Amino acid sequence: QKEVEQDPGPLSVPEGAIVSLNCTYSNSAFQYFMWYRQYSRKGPELLMYTYSSGNKEDGRFTAQVDKSSKYISLFIRDSQPSDSATYLCAMRANAGKSTFGDGTTLTVKP
Amino acid sequence: DGGITQSPKYLFRKEGQNVTLSCEQNLNHDAMYWYRQDPGQGLRLIYYSQIVNDFQKGDIAEGYSVSREKKESFPLTVTSAQKNPTAFYLCASSPRQGNSNQPQHFGDGTRLSIL
Repeated sequence: QKEVEQDPGPLSVPEGAIVSLNCTYSNSAFQYFMWYRQYSRKGPELLMYTYSSGNKEDGRFTAQVDKSSKYISLFIRDSQPSDSATYLCAMRANAGKSTFGDGTTLTVKP
Repeated sequence: DGGITQSPKYLFRKEGQNVTLSCEQNLNHDAMYWYRQDPGQGLRLIYYSQIVNDFQKGDIAEGYSVSREKKESFPLTVTSAQKNPTAFYLCASSPRQGNSNQPQHFGDGTRLSIL
């Protein structure tokens, strides 16, 4: 079983919808949680970075971490066609290497 | 602008040939990483280096080699021993783990294919 499991998708939503992207993990030592956005043929771009449990908001994006359930989510409000990309979750322990999910491909239709 | 530059963007390898992928960063980061990404899969760590002249194997190091002679540069050689090299290769850097908790920043990748 993988340490990090990400909802595989693909996900297709109409413009303006609220999108929920999710990952679960098994390693209770993970403390730092990241979400990356990756456009086709490009490198991943850091979207959100959180430490431990709680919520963090940045514009239309909200990252949520529930360490008791070992579950993290990324919410995108008022989704736009430009949000169409693959979203990768990543996480790591205090001084360890990052472990990535397999990615969820999102398409936002105009 | 600070960032990570990977070259070339596309690379073709013949059977039995070694090829080297370039990665240069001007972010003054100590740590650098190489990942491989296959279609529909996440990133798998090949090698990483936390300081000049030192590097460690990641999860899939077989068939690959690296060097870290300068802080800014971390080239990856895909050797002929790597039988399935076709993939998207990503280089990343970050402030050294243990000193800082900043996440990794990525280049735009090199797509390697077999001729």
